[in-house]
Amino acid sequence: GAVVSQHPSWVICKSGTSVKIECRSLDFQATTMFWYRQFPKQSLMLMATSNEGSKATYEQGVEKDKFLINHASLTLSTLTVTSAHPEDSSFYICSASQGFTDTQYFGPGTRLTVL
Amino acid sequence: AQTVTQSQPEMSVQEAETVTLSCTYDTSESDYYLFWYKQPPSRQMILVIRQEAYKQQNATENRFSVNFQKAAKSFSLKISDSQLGDAAMYFCAYRSFNTGTASKLTFGTGTRLQVTL
Repeated sequence: GAVVSQHPSWVICKSGTSVKIECRSLDFQATTMFWYRQFPKQSLMLMATSNEGSKATYEQGVEKDKFLINHASLTLSTLTVTSAHPEDSSFYICSASQGFTDTQYFGPGTRLTVL
Repeated sequence: AQTVTQSQPEMSVQEAETVTLSCTYDTSESDYYLFWYKQPPSRQMILVIRQEAYKQQNATENRFSVNFQKAAKSFSLKISDSQLGDAAMYFCAYRSFNTGTASKLTFGTGTRLQVTL
């Protein structure tokens, strides 16, 4: 149980284009989903927290207009990187929890490369 | 703000031996959760073990156990009978028990564990 999927697992795009990453909880309803960014050989950095049906809460320093997060249902959250640039290249990981304070289960991550 | 410190960037253990990974944290809260997550080369984060601060008993999960010292703010992970599949990056994480805030995880910088034959 507690499986979280992400799609795509790897995406390459041209500078200036937008990319959407999906995060799905497959066998439970996720009230809260989290989006992280991980640079090579570094820890996870929380970007934002989203609750189903409400606006995401972004961490300090994360551009809301660049990283659009939508949590439209209890099983799906999306992260859209708008007007991507090479510096946005990174590994993006989502996690989901059933309740506000429950354990987070992580997706397998998405590697984004912006050319 | 809470901080999590993992002072061992890399550790090595021989197969079938025991290894302990260190983690310390700083918090002014009395109730919280602590976690160890494993990130193998696939980069999938896997929950290894979870400890509630209000529980005095140390959590165990098969070959994995913790030594939770609340007063010392220490939370080490012991891996017994190490296997090649245990090779991974291990992250210690802290989460507040405060239900008034989102259950954000604060991660340490990680310890890379190598398992040798």
